[in-house]
Amino acid sequence: GQQVMQIPQYQHVQEGEDFTTYCNSSTTLSNIQWYKQRPGGHPVFLIQLVKSGEVKKQKRLTFQFGEAKKNSSLHITATQTTDVGTYFCAGATSGTYKYIFGTGTRLKVLA
Amino acid sequence: DADVTQTPRNRITKTGKRIMLECSQTKGHDRMYWYRQDPGLGLRLIYYSFDVKDINKGEISDGYSVSRQAQAKFSLSLESAIPNQTALYFCATSEGTRNYGYTFGSGTRLTVV
Repeated sequence: GQQVMQIPQYQHVQEGEDFTTYCNSSTTLSNIQWYKQRPGGHPVFLIQLVKSGEVKKQKRLTFQFGEAKKNSSLHITATQTTDVGTYFCAGATSGTYKYIFGTGTRLKVLA
Repeated sequence: DADVTQTPRNRITKTGKRIMLECSQTKGHDRMYWYRQDPGLGLRLIYYSFDVKDINKGEISDGYSVSRQAQAKFSLSLESAIPNQTALYFCATSEGTRNYGYTFGSGTRLTVV
């Protein structure tokens, strides 16, 4: 079945450093979504990417969907302590209406 | 009030007991989902429902059942709880045929002893 892996599993950075998490699917995706879960909280939707090679930005966050639509990345520039949490990607294949979540990357930002 | 409300927030139950987790939403969304979260495994889909008469199994439905009592209510039952069902359970909703992002509830932390 479809699998979605994320790397790294954990990342500790100093405040102000950049951070990137990568998402890889075993199958071609129709679209991909990204979520953030703060410690003790629930996942919150950040963005959806649909087109091959698509790049979207939200302030310091840059999201990219691969040309083959099998991978994606989230890059945070100049991390802040408010960026702490676990970031999940979730991908859906064409013709399905359910999303498979990645294993998540847990980010810690050291002040 | 939260858009997606889960009850209870925390529950400790004994092995073999039947337990029900409840979810209600005010989003007006047709689609509702139950996910389970375990450390290092991400979120795994247990069951999903696209409308009141539509129930579908997800990746890990064994040992679970669901009921969609109304558009706004979707409950998850563990018929005979076992310790490896100890996890954080999330209910989520989404809109229509195009998923513009799930709205998650605050979760139920279930411990089976």
